[in-house]
Amino acid sequence: DADVTQTPRNRITKTGKRIMLECSQTKGHDRMYWYRQDPGLGLRLIYYSFDVKDINKGEISDGYSVSRQAQAKFSLSLESAIPNQTALYFCATSDRTGGAYNEQFFGPGTRLTVL
Amino acid sequence: DAKTTQPPSMDCAEGRAANLPCNHSTISGNEYVYWYRQIHSQGPQYIIHGLKNNETNEMASLIITEDRKSSTLILPHATLRDTAVYYCIVRVASNDYKLSFGAGTTVTVRA
Repeated sequence: DADVTQTPRNRITKTGKRIMLECSQTKGHDRMYWYRQDPGLGLRLIYYSFDVKDINKGEISDGYSVSRQAQAKFSLSLESAIPNQTALYFCATSDRTGGAYNEQFFGPGTRLTVL
Repeated sequence: DAKTTQPPSMDCAEGRAANLPCNHSTISGNEYVYWYRQIHSQGPQYIIHGLKNNETNEMASLIITEDRKSSTLILPHATLRDTAVYYCIVRVASNDYKLSFGAGTTVTVRA
């Protein structure tokens, strides 16, 4: 089974709808992240969480919110979806050990289309 | 974190070594060089990282110039499954949440 899972894998919705993307991990990592990727571009960080009580904005948090329900679960919400939020969304996790080696492990992605 | 510059694309023949360059002329002394790759629409995958010494693992080798202003990722025997976008990232070790992905290099391995 995959260590980092995302649901749904694909979603089509309409402008103004509330959408939740979910991420679960079995790696036992403390840190979790949400990124979005637009066609032909690299990934941009939306939110990150270093533990259940710690939530931080990334570089493009406007229009998004997150919830860290448990160490293993990190959800991303679009309160009122708009078409320019159409993108590929990735969840990632990393261990808390810090230092130079701090590999992030990514989920398979959720393709979201807002009409 | 220092900015990186990579060529937008490159081709490689299957079975040959693929050498991927990255320029990071403004790198600071405490910044590491990291490489990730992303196979079409999948989540990125960590490859390797280094500070100033050359590094090798089961996936690749990383060669960092003595002045640390550039580096090369080497895939020793490229296969079709190595076709992906490769990202060179520079950051300090403590900023482990700051994986700043640029456009990367699209590597196409041809049979």
